[in-house]
Amino acid sequence: SQTIHQWPATLVQPVGSPLSLECTVEGTSNPNLYWYRQAAGRGLQLLFYSVGIGQISSEVPQNLSASRPQDRQFILSSKKLLLSDSGFYLCAWSTEPIYGYTFGSGTRLTVV
Amino acid sequence: AQSVTQLGSHVSVSEGALVLLRCNYSSSVPPYLFWYVQYPNQGLQLLLKYTSAATLVKGINGFEAEFKKSETSFHLTKPSAHMSDAAEYFCAVTLRDDKIIFGKGTRLHILP
Repeated sequence: SQTIHQWPATLVQPVGSPLSLECTVEGTSNPNLYWYRQAAGRGLQLLFYSVGIGQISSEVPQNLSASRPQDRQFILSSKKLLLSDSGFYLCAWSTEPIYGYTFGSGTRLTVV
Repeated sequence: AQSVTQLGSHVSVSEGALVLLRCNYSSSVPPYLFWYVQYPNQGLQLLLKYTSAATLVKGINGFEAEFKKSETSFHLTKPSAHMSDAAEYFCAVTLRDDKIIFGKGTRLHILP
């Protein structure tokens, strides 16, 4: 069966520090991969999505970037964190969107 | 472009009472519709999905939703609320695109 792993579960980072969040999927090939952020009172914000290795689409220009170095690995990064980067980050995958997304358990990022 | 609107960012019901969470969609062609649930500090979990096979869709935990094309609605219901149903619920839509569009969410509170 397919599973999605996301880590770490919680992270506290100082302003200006780098960030790397990793997401991996098992049990499927060539998944569509997604990074979302939830900030208090703002619902789900799609940050990046990828339909294949090296193919990244950015939905919101900001302080973050994403990469997909392997078929089932999706990484969210920042060179210098801002206070506004705090939030709950969720990774998700799908084969086709009509079947729905499967979400990871999320990372709670607090920038201090 | 497709979109969903969830009426009410917070809904409170008494334990044992009917749960009704409202979702209206906007789409130029027949959509695929979803309801997700999110418990605190967790990822989103798929409750149910509409893929045109049947207008009344049954999901997990006793929830169901009815697709009404004439009203462009996909409301989520449960006959009798349990304390464990307290969570945030998201309605979502896609059109065989590469992204699912989520509503802003409705937080369900269960009163003892």
